[in-house]
Amino acid sequence: DVKVTQSSRYLVKRTGEKVFLECVQDMDHENMFWYRQDPGLGLRLIYFSYDVKMKEKGDIPEGYSVSREKKERFSLILESASTNQTSMYLCASSSQGASNTEAFFGQGTRLTVV
Amino acid sequence: AQSVTQLDSHVSVSEGTPVLLRCNYSSSYSPSLFWYVQHPNKGLQLLLKYTSAATLVKGINGFEAEFKKSETSFHLTKPSAHMSDAAEYFCVVSDLFNFNKFYFGSGTKLNVKP
Repeated sequence: DVKVTQSSRYLVKRTGEKVFLECVQDMDHENMFWYRQDPGLGLRLIYFSYDVKMKEKGDIPEGYSVSREKKERFSLILESASTNQTSMYLCASSSQGASNTEAFFGQGTRLTVV
Repeated sequence: AQSVTQLDSHVSVSEGTPVLLRCNYSSSYSPSLFWYVQHPNKGLQLLLKYTSAATLVKGINGFEAEFKKSETSFHLTKPSAHMSDAAEYFCVVSDLFNFNKFYFGSGTKLNVKP
């Protein structure tokens, strides 16, 4: 069974803390994505990576950074957490090349910044 | 640029009646289209995807979607709603020429009344 695993389901952090969200996939996918999900806004792309050490900004990268040192692992970093980063964070992976290849999602991490 | 618009943020139906969730897309070329479902506190699950082999696409749990190029639409339907269909549904387009990045609609929440 294919899997995308996010390290935490729920996190509570304080304003100003550095926060790491980890994601691991076991499908040897080239692409990995971080989205945040907020009510009424759907999923918005924060960053994605198309290869090890390669990354591209998505639509809302401000306040975030990412790291991809190994193909299977993609980390999202909140350098200094703020309350407006309270949200659901979803990691996904997909293969490249073929059209109609779908994305596979993790269960999500609900982050609360207090 | 690729984008999708989901025309209804909320849809409410009675159990046993048909479901219609509307999605329009914008694409410079032949699109790759998907529908995902998200049940409360769960990750996203693929319902179906458009493969260009047929305009009527069958998915899981009795859902279908019809690709209409002339109307740039990819509406999701089900003949008879079940209580377990209550969830949020996302229409998604991917950009084959940009690392297969995925672009999400804002979501439609389906409520099923007994």
